[in-house]
This record gives sequence, structure tokens and C-alpha cells, in this order.
Amino acid sequence: EVQLVESGGGLVHPGGSLRLSCAASGFTCSSYDMHWVRQGIGKGLEWVSVVSIGADTYYSDSVRGRFTISRENAKNSLFLQMNSLRVGDTAVYYCARARNFDYWGQGVLVTVSS
Amino acid sequence: QSALTQPASVSGSPGQSITISCTGTSSDVGAYNYVSWYQQHPGKAPKLIIYDVNSRPSGVSSRFSGSKSGDTAALTISGLQAEDEADYYCKSYTRSSTVVFGGGTKLTVL
Repeated sequence: EVQLVESGGGLVHPGGSLRLSCAASGFTCSSYDMHWVRQGIGKGLEWVSVVSIGADTYYSDSVRGRFTISRENAKNSLFLQMNSLRVGDTAVYYCARARNFDYWGQGVLVTVSS
Repeated sequence: QSALTQPASVSGSPGQSITISCTGTSSDVGAYNYVSWYQQHPGKAPKLIIYDVNSRPSGVSSRFSGSKSGDTAALTISGLQAEDEADYYCKSYTRSSTVVFGGGTKLTVL
């Protein structure tokens, strides 16, 4: 059974850092494009970043230069290193699999507040 | 990376059909047949219901269908049921190898 489980969320002050993890099971993470998507409270979905099968990385304008996506094949996991966090980064963060986003994790809450 | 344009809300009675539009540009929706649709119930993760414009994943009801013309895609739900009440989002790839979502549409079943 395919599963994605995010972790690493929490409360952080503006300017701080946080590292999110997404543990994959039931498939090999490195065989798919893997994405991060976020959703502000009461707001819509916003795409954040992707790491392709070929390890190319792309980011939304709102996070480029502050966030870094990566994956570790040995752990079958996806990561999102978030630096210089802003209040506007407060959201539930989801990882999602493949071009079609066919599987999603349950999400993890990141709160940026002073 | 402007969001795709969706109506904020639509409504319909049980048994009726509704259509949700998703308008982009020639750099996203119009560029590729990579439009997907997601259903999200409150407090839940989104669920894929349509991919590649008009394909349904296994297990998704045939009452859901998708289409595209030019820079505008559409999701049609026929035979509305109470359980269809949810938020719906379209998504497209862009020529910049990034991804863009629509702003979301709240479907109310009257």
C-alpha cells in the first residue's frame, strides 16, 4: 500500500528554519517526481517545489532561494529545508507523488509566528 | 506564476450536473494536456479525481469527467450526490517546469 507520512512541523519564529520530512512506503521514492504543496488555513492549494526523477529541482517564486527540496534514497524519503521563514509561510504542508499527484500525505502544520 | 482562475463557488441539486471551469494561459493549461483535478473534503488531504485532462484514476466514479478547450479546462460532475460537496482544485504544469493550481471552487449540494 502506498503511503506518505510527513513530519517535522511546528511553531517557529520569523526568520527561523525548519526541516520537513516525508517518509514514503509501498513504492520507491526515487522512481517518481516528488512534490511539496502547501495550504494556508482556510486558503487554497499552493505548489511549492518538485524534485524530478533526474534530480532536477524547481520552486515557486514565493519560496525560491529560501527553501531547498531533496530526497534520500536510502531512507526512501523526501525533505524540505525551509530557511528565513515568514509569517506568510504558515500552512499545512503536504508531500505528493508523481506528475499527477496521485498520492498525498496527511499534511503537517507549520506555524510561523512571533 | 499566477493561479489558474476558477469560480469561487458553484451549487446544484442532487441528480443535477454541474461544471467547474479552470482558465489559464497558453503557458500552462493551453500548453500541455497535463490538467488534473482534485477533490478536498474539510480537514482531509486532496484526492486526485481527473488527470491528463480527462482520465480517471481507478476507483473514481464515472460521474466525474474532464475536458479542455484552448486555455480553459473543465470538470463536470453528473448525477450530483450529497457526498460530492467539497472543494475542487484544478492544476496544470507550466512551460517553466513548475506547477500552478487554481484558486479552488466550493461545491454546495442543495
